[in-house]
Amino acid sequence: KQEVTQIPAALSVPEGENLVLNCSFTDSAIYNLQWFRQDPGKGLTSLLLIQSSQREQTSGRLNASLDKSSGRSTLYIAASQPGDSATYLCAVKWYGSARQLTFGSGTQLTVLP
Amino acid sequence: GAVVSQHPSWVICKSGTSVKIECRSLDFQATTMFWYRQFPKQSLMLMATSNEGSKATYEQGVEKDKFLINHASLTLSTLTVTSAHPEDSSFYICSARDLSGRGRGELFFGEGSRLTVL
Repeated sequence: KQEVTQIPAALSVPEGENLVLNCSFTDSAIYNLQWFRQDPGKGLTSLLLIQSSQREQTSGRLNASLDKSSGRSTLYIAASQPGDSATYLCAVKWYGSARQLTFGSGTQLTVLP
Repeated sequence: GAVVSQHPSWVICKSGTSVKIECRSLDFQATTMFWYRQFPKQSLMLMATSNEGSKATYEQGVEKDKFLINHASLTLSTLTVTSAHPEDSSFYICSARDLSGRGRGELFFGEGSRLTVL
């Protein structure tokens, strides 16, 4: 069964700290992997999209890595700010899957001022 | 990035009534849109795939007669919750894939619509 897991479910860090969010998936035959941010009661904002052939993507203070062989992706946030507080979702699209994306349950991040 | 708009952002209705939610891709064409449902503190669950000009594809366990989907144009898909009941109260989110070279196949999401059925 193709599943996406995110641990921890919640994380609280002081402002300025660098942090890593983890995402693991059960089938390495992925097409792409996408990281999203969701603020309470809001939709999803796409942060980074990593294609199967890529190892990482960077946008500003965010860096996402992909290791298909180990079934893992990480989202690195540098110099965290209170405005980074949100739920971060990892989603995978697999080759041959009729479903477009399978989501993890998310990591709720709180950055304390 | 590409923009997907949902309307209304929130709606309260009485049990037994029907509610329509619109999803529009504002600056790109989307032959396929997706409807998700999200319960509090849970992740998104795909409900159905909306295909322009043809019938939607529903996920297992989703009642197609309960959740009517229409994708009449390349920029608009609608989800109608028919005869809504309190258990249908949820956050509904649509998404669309920008297949243009600019979009690189990235999936963009609307802001979501919160439905509360009294």
